Formats: sequence, structure tokens, C-alpha cells
Amino acid sequence: AQKITQTQPGMFVQEKEAVTLDCTYDTSDPSYGLFWYKQPSSGEMIFLIYQGSYDQQNATEGRYSLNFQKARKSANLVISASQLGDSAMYFCAMREGPGGGYQKVTFGTGTKLQVIP
Amino acid sequence: GAVVSQHPSRVICKSGTSVKIECRSLDFQATTMFWYRQFPKQSLMLMATSNEGSKATYEQGVEKDKFLINHASLTLSTLTVTSAHPEDSSFYICSASWGRTEAFFGQGTRLTVV
Repeated sequence: AQKITQTQPGMFVQEKEAVTLDCTYDTSDPSYGLFWYKQPSSGEMIFLIYQGSYDQQNATEGRYSLNFQKARKSANLVISASQLGDSAMYFCAMREGPGGGYQKVTFGTGTKLQVIP
Repeated sequence: GAVVSQHPSRVICKSGTSVKIECRSLDFQATTMFWYRQFPKQSLMLMATSNEGSKATYEQGVEKDKFLINHASLTLSTLTVTSAHPEDSSFYICSASWGRTEAFFGQGTRLTVV
């Protein structure tokens, strides 16, 4: 079974609008962490946001917020006020087990976001 | 954020030769480094995990004799693709962590074997 599922291979959003990128996960470990990374066409992976399984509040980082619904095992990324520079691949990822030291992370298949002027 | 530098960004080599890719943490000491491979339009696949001073742990299906990983210091890990063949052509990317929640990635290396 897939540990991380991203069902949207591609998304379009109008500039200045908000967009939600979907991510569901599968784990039986009570301690885990969820990440979102952005990969522009240049290839580097840019860390965006992190949500721990025990975090009570949804994570936010500037224009990025993570809609964490633990019971549904979903961790959707919300980008507010989209900018042209947001056009990229977005990967959801999960670390199982407590953080610190060794951190094996599993990635989803990614969503290609294109922001339209 | 922490900076991880990967070199070279692009390399073309002849079939049968070996290629070394470096991954350096510039402003922190990386206790653990990870090496991933990414095929076009696909996700990142973990190849191996290396901890400073110990042997790398390879994922199932990854040939350790072909993909040699060395993590000799807290700031440097290297991946050597030995006897490269065209099917080894791919995007290789490293990440580094020092026990914090997130890992930081290098810029990646696009390897083309001709």
C-alpha cells in the first residue's frame, strides 16, 4: 500500500487565488511527521512546512498552511495568494517514528502546480 | 535555513566509467545524510542512508557495490556510481539532517551516461 498518496498529478490556479494540494497518508505508527517540499524546474527540493502527529494546531509558514486532519489521515497544503513563482512540483512526505537522528522519509508522487497570470 | 551544497549539478560520462557526487552541509554538522534517485516526472526514491563514520544502509534493490556511499565527516558525504551505464542516468539528490525535524536538500545532480 502507498504510504503517501497525492491524487492530483497537475493543478492550475489563478494568480492571487488560494489553492489546496491534497495528501493522504497511511501509517500505524502513532508518532510521525508530515512534510511538504517544493521542487522548481531547477531540481532542488525546498522545505516548506512540517506537521508533527502530536501537534495540536495546524502548521503555518507564511503563505503556506497545512490542513491536518488526523482522523482522515490527510495533510493538505494550502497556498494562499498564489504567485507566479509558486509554479513547481510539490511533494508530500512522511517520516514514521519519533524525530531526531535517523529520519527515513517517504515521498508521494507529487503534484505539478501551475499558476496562471 | 540550513544549506546543503551538492556538486556537480550536471555530469556526462562515458559508459563504464565512475562518477563521484559530493554532498556538503555548509553551516551545520550532518549526523545523517540521505541519497535519493529521481526518474523524470517521478517521485524521489531513497537509495541509502549514511551516518557519519559508519557504513551506509541501503534500501532494498539498491546495489551497494555499484552505488558506493562514503560519509567520512560530519559535513561531507559522497556517492560514487561505479561502472556507470545508460540506465544509471537519472537525477540524484542528497539531503542532510542533524537530528532536527526536517532534512535539507542539495541542488541535485543530473547524471547522463552516454
